Amino acid sequence: DSGVTQTPKHLITATGQRVTLRCSPRSGDLSVYWYQQSLDQGLQFLIQYYNGEERAKGNILERFSAQQFPDLHSELNLSSLELGDSALYFCASSARTGGSSGNTIYFGEGSWLTVV
Amino acid sequence: GIQVEQSPPDLILQEGANSTLRCNFSDSVNNLQWFHQNPWGQLINLFYIPSGTKQNGRLSATTVATERYSLLYISSSQTTDSGVYFCAVYSTSGTYKYIFGTGTRLKVLA
Repeated sequence: DSGVTQTPKHLITATGQRVTLRCSPRSGDLSVYWYQQSLDQGLQFLIQYYNGEERAKGNILERFSAQQFPDLHSELNLSSLELGDSALYFCASSARTGGSSGNTIYFGEGSWLTVV
Repeated sequence: GIQVEQSPPDLILQEGANSTLRCNFSDSVNNLQWFHQNPWGQLINLFYIPSGTKQNGRLSATTVATERYSLLYISSSQTTDSGVYFCAVYSTSGTYKYIFGTGTRLKVLA
């Protein structure tokens, strides 16, 4: 158990709908990262937050948005869903910002999203 | 941006064999991790190794940061080692991103 909690674990929804994925980081971790992994693909970086502020942005679609709340949990909102959005969405956390020495990132178990 | 290439892309081994997985990166990094993604999709931390050598049981890793590569050694492989191995690097170029490599898919046969 990495200590990173993601909900829901599985989600099936229809095209055009909106979903919210939730992530609770490890206790004390200030950074949260979101990644998308499509079937048999690598992990694509979406976005990172550090202590409530956006720190880095990757290839995140305009239909997607995220935020980190004062209690440090984070949510990833996916709207106007398309079939191609079906993927495993991972949240990860770390104690500090990415480049800090010793800053190990830990992953949650992911949220499997299926768009039908 | 930084490019992270892993080799080989696919590897099939008999149980008990040894293997070496490689991660090449195109820019200076200050953090590097190895992960194992098991068949159920879970990402398991193996090593945090921006430089030097570490060992954990049958697994060991070496990073030569000045030459921009890292190696993961698996000895006496077991069927439970099957899955995909990823390296992830954090570039010092200031892009503030952990970038994952292309992965090595390992299958260990009984």
